[in-house]
Amino acid sequence: DIQMTQSPSSLSASVGDSVTITCRASQSVSTFLNWYQQRPGTAPKVIMYAASSLQRGVPSRFSGSGSGTVFTLTISGLQPEDFGTYYCQQSYSTHLLTFGPGTRVDIK
Amino acid sequence: QVHLVESGGGVVQPGRSLRVSCAVSGFSFSSYVMHWVRQAPGKGLEWVAGISFDGSNRYYADSVKGRFTISRDNSKSTVYLQMNSLRPDDTAIYFCAREYEGGSAHPYLDYWGQGTLVTVSS
Repeated sequence: DIQMTQSPSSLSASVGDSVTITCRASQSVSTFLNWYQQRPGTAPKVIMYAASSLQRGVPSRFSGSGSGTVFTLTISGLQPEDFGTYYCQQSYSTHLLTFGPGTRVDIK
Repeated sequence: QVHLVESGGGVVQPGRSLRVSCAVSGFSFSSYVMHWVRQAPGKGLEWVAGISFDGSNRYYADSVKGRFTISRDNSKSTVYLQMNSLRPDDTAIYFCAREYEGGSAHPYLDYWGQGTLVTVSS
């Protein structure tokens, strides 16, 4: 089974800062890597798919990169509405999905 | 407009069974792979199970294999999760989600329901 890790587990940043979250896979997942944002009390929402493709309607301050085993999600110019928990998820194993443990983003 | 609505959650004793449902509307249900994802209180997301568009293939996390069964009724646009031999660590919000691939050939979960809470407790 493919295992996913994320770092940091949490971070606190100010409005306007740039923040980067790293996700690592236990084996290569090529670019079959997605990112989700979850605000408290709500369902997750996809923000990035195929490692670097921005989901429709998601602000362009979000960007993703990586391939193989190491991926990053960057928020350039953090906004108050960006608080929440971010999860990476691999879809390399067809229909056998794995999520990372999550990174909680707080706004200072 | 796409909607996914889960139902059937509740409080159940350890060792008992429960079935949760997810009724969908707004898209051609029979054309999509569907998944169940759960989230224990204060914890992260855990993928539970997936089912192919026609129900012929089913996929499970090791943590639920042999106890949970995913199924679907395309005539009712509904996906189910039958949960047997429930344990306290199965306590979670259970979300259903649609898998979308599109032109990228890289699948992801693009629509989610609001979730239904299952509590396993004596």
